[in-house]
Amino acid sequence: DVKVTQSSRYLVKRTGEKVFLECVQDMDHENMFWYRQDPGLGLRLIYFSYDVKMKEKGDIPEGYSVSREKKERFSLILESASTNQTSMYLCASSDGSTNEKLFFGSGTQLSVL
Amino acid sequence: GENVEQHPSTLSVQEGDSAVIKCTYSDSASNYFPWYKQELGKRPQLIIDIRSNVGEKKDQRIAVTLNKTAKHFSLHITETQPEDSAVYFCAASIDNYGQNFVFGPGTRLSVLP
Repeated sequence: DVKVTQSSRYLVKRTGEKVFLECVQDMDHENMFWYRQDPGLGLRLIYFSYDVKMKEKGDIPEGYSVSREKKERFSLILESASTNQTSMYLCASSDGSTNEKLFFGSGTQLSVL
Repeated sequence: GENVEQHPSTLSVQEGDSAVIKCTYSDSASNYFPWYKQELGKRPQLIIDIRSNVGEKKDQRIAVTLNKTAKHFSLHITETQPEDSAVYFCAASIDNYGQNFVFGPGTRLSVLP
């Protein structure tokens, strides 16, 4: 069974801090995604990657960056956290070649104070 | 770009009744439409999907219908059970490979005993 693991379930940070959210998948998936989930707004795509070293902006990339140095790992970076980045962050992966099904991580609830 | 609307935002049904959730999309090029279920505190999981060359698909108590002309698709759950209580998200693909999606805002379904 595919496992997508996010390093933290809950995270509390201060405004202005640099924040790293880590995501690792164990099924050799090509595609990896970072979503933000807010009540009433659904899942909004921040960044995605179809290959190592490749990254593309999603719908709401402002204030975020990503890194994909290895195929299995996709990191989301908040360069200078702000209170409006308080949210649930979900990482997902998909095979890319045969199946569009997204496998999600358990999520990281980030609170920026 | 693609815009996905979803209605209703909340839905309460009696156990054993049917539930219907409707989504509309704006981009006629979208060709893949998955539905994800997110139980409280858990990760979203794919429950059913449909491609643009099919009008209806069933999987036990769950069915999805697609009207490409009208650009809407619906999730139908029959004989609802308490374990169907969750937030349901529809999505529409936004690239030719069906690898990237825009999600609807979600519907919170409550099945009352």
